[in-house]
Amino acid sequence: AAGVIQSPRHLIKEKRETATLKCYPIPRHDTVYWYQQGPGQDPQFLISFYEKMQSDKGSIPDRFSAQQFSDYHSELNMSSLELGDSALYFCASSLVLRRGRTDTQYFGPGTRLTVL
Amino acid sequence: AQSVTQLDSQVPVFEEAPVELRCNYSSSVSVYLFWYVQYPNQGLQLLLKYLSGSTLVKGINGFEAEFNKSQTSFHLRKPSVHISDTAEYFCAVKTSYGKLTFGQGTILTVHP
Repeated sequence: AAGVIQSPRHLIKEKRETATLKCYPIPRHDTVYWYQQGPGQDPQFLISFYEKMQSDKGSIPDRFSAQQFSDYHSELNMSSLELGDSALYFCASSLVLRRGRTDTQYFGPGTRLTVL
Repeated sequence: AQSVTQLDSQVPVFEEAPVELRCNYSSSVSVYLFWYVQYPNQGLQLLLKYLSGSTLVKGINGFEAEFNKSQTSFHLRKPSVHISDTAEYFCAVKTSYGKLTFGQGTILTVHP
């Protein structure tokens, strides 16, 4: 079965540079979530989108922005990168069931961002 | 808001021994409960989930978990572990809508 695809898998950037992470959800899934997992930490929710609209927002820095496109893929844009942004960034996708309830989230393999 | 506490940060066991990874949650509303496994340098893989119905849920790789509403717990168990079960395990909760809230993770190390 098709899974969530994330690209790139690894990314190395310098401080103050920008980075763009991409996420392609499971086919027919309409909701995308972004999580950040720092070294030795649990995943922390950043932001989510449903039908191209932001549906929820977590602890996402103002330097970060994201969007979901008409084909349901999503991009996380990160500017003015800091050393502390080094982390594993996961995308997850799910399907909205009736009355807005969301189904199980399936995760991609993650993008490991290293900021030097 | 929801929160999740995984009571053990590390659990070492010998191969073929039983194991229990503990998870407690708090929430003011009904929640769905999940266990995810993360192998080194890999993503999060769904082990099992509790949405409703039977409180004992079975997952992949021989794992099972029991939802206990009165104790707000969702402990993960396996009767006999293998070396290949060495990984980090995350308990997570979500409401009907939206994001997952994860516990701090439990590193399971299976020794030969």
